[in-house]
Amino acid sequence: KQEVTQIPAALSVPEGENLVLNCSFTDSAIYNLQWFRQDPGKGLTSLLLIQSSQREQTSGRLNASLDKSSGRSTLYIAASQPGDSATYLCAVRGGATNKLIFGTGTLLAVQP
Amino acid sequence: ETGVTQTPRHLVMGMTNKKSLKCEQHLGHNAMYWYKQSAKKPLELMFVYSLEERVENNSVPSRFSPECPNSSHLFLHLHTLQPEDSALYLCASSQVVVGGRGAVGTQYFGPGTRLTVL
Repeated sequence: KQEVTQIPAALSVPEGENLVLNCSFTDSAIYNLQWFRQDPGKGLTSLLLIQSSQREQTSGRLNASLDKSSGRSTLYIAASQPGDSATYLCAVRGGATNKLIFGTGTLLAVQP
Repeated sequence: ETGVTQTPRHLVMGMTNKKSLKCEQHLGHNAMYWYKQSAKKPLELMFVYSLEERVENNSVPSRFSPECPNSSHLFLHLHTLQPEDSALYLCASSQVVVGGRGAVGTQYFGPGTRLTVL
């Protein structure tokens, strides 16, 4: 059964810092991995989608990497801003089932 | 503003009430999803509709009844709920590759309905 873990559960950093969020998954036979952002009381916004054949994806100040063999992904946020404060969720698709399996998220607070 | 809308945004109901959640997607997608998000727990997939057919039902209690009348609309009918059903219910849509292994593209989420069962 696929399980997705995100570390840390919460993170507080001063504005301007570069930071890394971690995601690990137990079944490496994934189809793709996706990072989402969720603001309080809101739905999810897709940030980056990495197919299983890819190693990384970049969008602006965000860079996501994927190491399928070790079951790990990282989300790198450069020059963090208070507007980056949100919960970041990692989800994988594939393995024994073909549905999105989510982690519990990392709550990020960027202090001005 | 996403291409997926949900109504109502907030709902308070008693255990004996019957209510429905509505989701509409304006993205031309052919698959729609219901998720449940409870405090301190990962998002849980409840139902998947692909090409208007239910293709997945993750052992959800029968007090939750989905309906997908067409590819743009998805409902979740609720009856005799329990307090532990209080959660954020999220709808999503995506484009499914017909004949493939299911949805391979990004899922787009609605803002959710915050449900409280008294």
